[in-house]
Amino acid sequence: GQNIDQPTEMTATEGAIVQINCTYQTSGFNGLFWYQQHAGEAPTFLSYNVLDGLEEKGRFSSFLSRSKGYSYLLLKELQMKDSASYLCASMDSNYQLIWGAGTKLIIKP
Amino acid sequence: GAVVSQHPSWVICKSGTSVKIECRSLDFQATTMFWYRQFPKQSLMLMATSNEGSKATYEQGVEKDKFLINHASLTLSTLTVTSAHPEDSSFYICSARDGGADHNEQFFGPGTRLTVL
Repeated sequence: GQNIDQPTEMTATEGAIVQINCTYQTSGFNGLFWYQQHAGEAPTFLSYNVLDGLEEKGRFSSFLSRSKGYSYLLLKELQMKDSASYLCASMDSNYQLIWGAGTKLIIKP
Repeated sequence: GAVVSQHPSWVICKSGTSVKIECRSLDFQATTMFWYRQFPKQSLMLMATSNEGSKATYEQGVEKDKFLINHASLTLSTLTVTSAHPEDSSFYICSARDGGADHNEQFFGPGTRLTVL
């Protein structure tokens, strides 16, 4: 079956670094997406990985290991506005996104 | 980046009435649009996938006669919740895939919050 696992909730301190992990099992693979979703709003695109390795984009970086079915989202220099849910989604062979349940990130001062 | 709009942003209706939600891709042609539902503190649940000019593909457990989807053009898809009931109250989000983009990214609309009284 298809499955995406990510932690339900994480807490971090403003200014610190946090890593949100995601493991996936999908029928075929056409890339791994990370989205940010603030409460009451629609998801917004953060990153896309299809090749192994690290993609850096400002304070956010995303890593993929296809052989391990594993990805992480790394957030640096955390700001209060980063408090949100972070959704991991794998694109299967039909180009359909299989979504994780999301990780709620709480930032404390 | 690509922009997807949804209308209305929120709607309150009486039980038994029908509600239509529009999803538009504003600056690209969306060969495929997706309709999601999200209940409070839960993840996105894909309801159906629609391709322009063809019938929508519904996920298991989603009633096609209750949630009518029309993808009449490359920039517009509509979801009609027929005979809405309080349990249909939810956050409905559409997304559109830009067929010309490099990695099949889905661009999300802002969502429609439906409350059925």
